Amino acid sequence: AQRVTQPEKLLSVFKGAPVELKCNYSYSGSPELFWYVQYSRQRLQLLLRHISRESIKGFTADLNKGETSFHLKKPFAQEEDSAMYYCALLVPMDSNYQLIWGAGTKLIIKP
Amino acid sequence: EPEVTQTPSHQVTQMGQEVILRCVPISNHLYFYWYRQILGQKVEFLVSFYNNEISEKSEIFDDQFSVERPDGSNFTLKIRSTKLEDSAMYFCASRAGQYNQPQHFGDGTRLSIL
Repeated sequence: AQRVTQPEKLLSVFKGAPVELKCNYSYSGSPELFWYVQYSRQRLQLLLRHISRESIKGFTADLNKGETSFHLKKPFAQEEDSAMYYCALLVPMDSNYQLIWGAGTKLIIKP
Repeated sequence: EPEVTQTPSHQVTQMGQEVILRCVPISNHLYFYWYRQILGQKVEFLVSFYNNEISEKSEIFDDQFSVERPDGSNFTLKIRSTKLEDSAMYFCASRAGQYNQPQHFGDGTRLSIL
């Protein structure tokens, strides 16, 4: 079964400290994964996707097929990074695709 | 930058009443989605829509739910007879034609059933 697991509901770190938001997936096919971010009172926004291998706002995420993980990392957290972060797996259906979502991790950056 | 827009931002409805949530997807997008997020829980897929018909739906999307694209720009979610457990944030999303293009989300509609 397809599943995305974000084991931490809440992660609190100090400004300037490294951040790692964990995401593990279960999927028999070739995974395509995304990180979405939701700042307070704002919409869900795409943060990054593994196929583009880019760094957005200092965040990176590497797909590790051996560990079935797609952890989100940032070396030095900033206060504006405080938000909800969702990991999502793109799954093909008959004629479309849908996103399977993790439960989300609330990241709080303490000053 | 074009955005997905949703109205209203907050809808309060009596249990048993019908409610229509409205979305205007990004104009050149072809695939449309509704998701639900009950307070404190994960985002859940409801339905996807392509070429004027439902392409996929989840178990949540039962006979009380329907979607429509009535005029080529709006994409609506109707709940025929609302229940208390329908209270949630409802997000609309759209994406362009290529399969791996990201979904763009609206701000959501908070539905409160009394």
